[in-house]
Parts: sequence; C-alpha cells; structure tokens
Amino acid sequence: EVQLVETGGGLVQPGKSLKLTCATSGFTFSNAWMHWVRQSPEKQLEWVAQIKAKSNNYATYYAESVKGRFTISRDDSKSSVYLQMNSLKEEDTAIYYCTWMYTDYWGQGVMVTVSS
Amino acid sequence: DIQMTQSPSFLSATVGDRVTINCKASQNINKYLNWYQQKLGEAPKRLIYNTNSLQTGIPSRFSGSGSGTDYTLTISSLQPEDVATYFCLQHNSGPTFGSGTKLEIK
Repeated sequence: EVQLVETGGGLVQPGKSLKLTCATSGFTFSNAWMHWVRQSPEKQLEWVAQIKAKSNNYATYYAESVKGRFTISRDDSKSSVYLQMNSLKEEDTAIYYCTWMYTDYWGQGVMVTVSS
Repeated sequence: DIQMTQSPSFLSATVGDRVTINCKASQNINKYLNWYQQKLGEAPKRLIYNTNSLQTGIPSRFSGSGSGTDYTLTISSLQPEDVATYFCLQHNSGPTFGSGTKLEIK
C-alpha cells in the first residue's frame, strides 16, 4: 500500500524557518518525481515545488512565490522528501501536501501557520 | 506563468442534472489538463488526466474535453456523493491550479 506521511508543521513567526518531511512507503521512491502542493485557508491550491529522480540529476523547480526561500530535497535511502522553508511570510500559511503527482498519491497534509 | 480561470466558482444543481465546469488557460496548454475532486477534510483526488483520460476507479459519469486554452469537466448525471470542490490543473508548464468550483446539491 502506498503511503505518504507529512510531518514538521506548526506555528512559526514571520521570518523564521521550518522543515517539512514526507516519509513514503509502498512504491519505488527513487524513481518517483515528487511534489509539494499547498492549500491556503481560502482553499486555493498552489503547486510549490518539484524534485525529479537521480536519473534526472535531482532537478528541482519552484513556484515564483517561494523561489529563493524554499528548498526541496530528497533522501532516496529513507524514501523521504523534504521542504526547507526559510524567511517565512504570513501568506505561506497553508496545508502542505506531499504528492507523487504522476500517479495521484497524496499525503494527508500538514498545517503550517505563520503568525506573530 | 500560465493563469487558469475556472468557472463558475459556485454551482448548485439537482440530483440527475448534467453539470459542466470550465477552465480557460492564458495560453495553449496542449491538453495537459487534469481535473481534481476535493471533499471536505481530504486531499484532492484526480478524476481526469490529460483532458479526457478517466482515472482508474472513477465513475464514467465524469468526463473531460477541450483543447488549446478551453477545457470542460462534465458530470453526466449528478449524484449526492459528488458534493465537493473541483479544481483544474494545467501541467504544460509550471503547474497551476484553477480557483475551484464548489458544487452543492439543491
């Protein structure tokens, strides 16, 4: 059974950092292109970042709204993907989903609240 | 960035109705358009990929069509369990979602 479980969310002050982890199981993670997608309190979905596989040199892509502040990475030995979020802004407040978008497997989401 | 304009934002229909939801891209997206259903408290679930391919396990009352910049999701006969919010997603370039259509039963 394919599973994706996000952890690491919480309440953080503007300007601070947070790192999300998505632990996966049930599929060949090393071949999968992984994404982070977020959903604002207003329910708008926004694609955040993508990381490709080793065969694609772990190429990464970002939404303009997070470029330079967020970093996506992966550890194939742990079947995990990460999202390092720096210089957080209130508008980064959202539920963050990890997804293997090609096959439509999603995690349950983790809440990140940026507020003073 | 490619912008996706989704309409309507809210839709109320009767069980058995034919329902259509539209997405218009700001440029040609070459049929790289998916449709998602999201129920309250759940992650999105893909219904249709690449304009008109039905995801495994999705009822055949859901269908998709379109080309170029204009795309449509159709529910041929609305069922009570279809109450949800629907989103389109273009993945031709730097994925972008539509703003969503909240569907309710009259």
